[in-house]
Amino acid sequence: KQEVTQIPAALSVPEGENLVLNCSFTDSAIYNLQWFRQDPGKGLTSLLLIQSSQREQTSGRLNASLDKSSGRSTLYIAASQPGDSATYLCAVPNSGNTPLVFGKGTRLSVIA
Amino acid sequence: DAGVIQSPRHEVTEMGQEVTLRCKPISGHDYLFWYRQTMMRGLELLIYFNNNVPIDDSGMPEDRFSAKMPNASFSTLKIQPSEPRDSAVYFCASGPTGRGTEAFFGQGTRLTVV
Repeated sequence: KQEVTQIPAALSVPEGENLVLNCSFTDSAIYNLQWFRQDPGKGLTSLLLIQSSQREQTSGRLNASLDKSSGRSTLYIAASQPGDSATYLCAVPNSGNTPLVFGKGTRLSVIA
Repeated sequence: DAGVIQSPRHEVTEMGQEVTLRCKPISGHDYLFWYRQTMMRGLELLIYFNNNVPIDDSGMPEDRFSAKMPNASFSTLKIQPSEPRDSAVYFCASGPTGRGTEAFFGQGTRLTVV
């Protein structure tokens, strides 16, 4: 069964810093990997979806990389802003075309 | 489309009471997923449906939990009797396929059992 781990569990940085969030998964036979953002008391917002054939995906200040062989993904946030404060979740399908298995998330605080 | 609609947004109930959470999926989506989010365990899949039929309910924690999808536009998750450890945020999601990456999530129902 797929397991997803996210490190660190929480992170606090000053505004303007570049930062990296880490995600690892136990079964490397994944079709894709997805990063979400969750604001307090809110639902999930999809940030980036990386297909298994891709090594990275970019959206604005966000860049997600994927290394299937090592079972790892990173989410890089450039020039962080207080508005980036949220919980970031990493998720992969359990197998094939199936529902997602989520990590517990990294709670990010960007201090002005 | 208004997206996945969950009701109520917040629910506070006493231990032992029956709780029913509701979900209206996006029109045209054949798949519906129920997830539970807690601080300790994160987001966990409880059950998912395809064309109103439950496909995998292995995540349902106990017999106290039951889910139904009587038609393509409505699903319920019922807890009877409720216990304090059921306190969590329950998310419903729907998608055009079983691929979790194509699912859209509702805003969630925050359940507190006192």
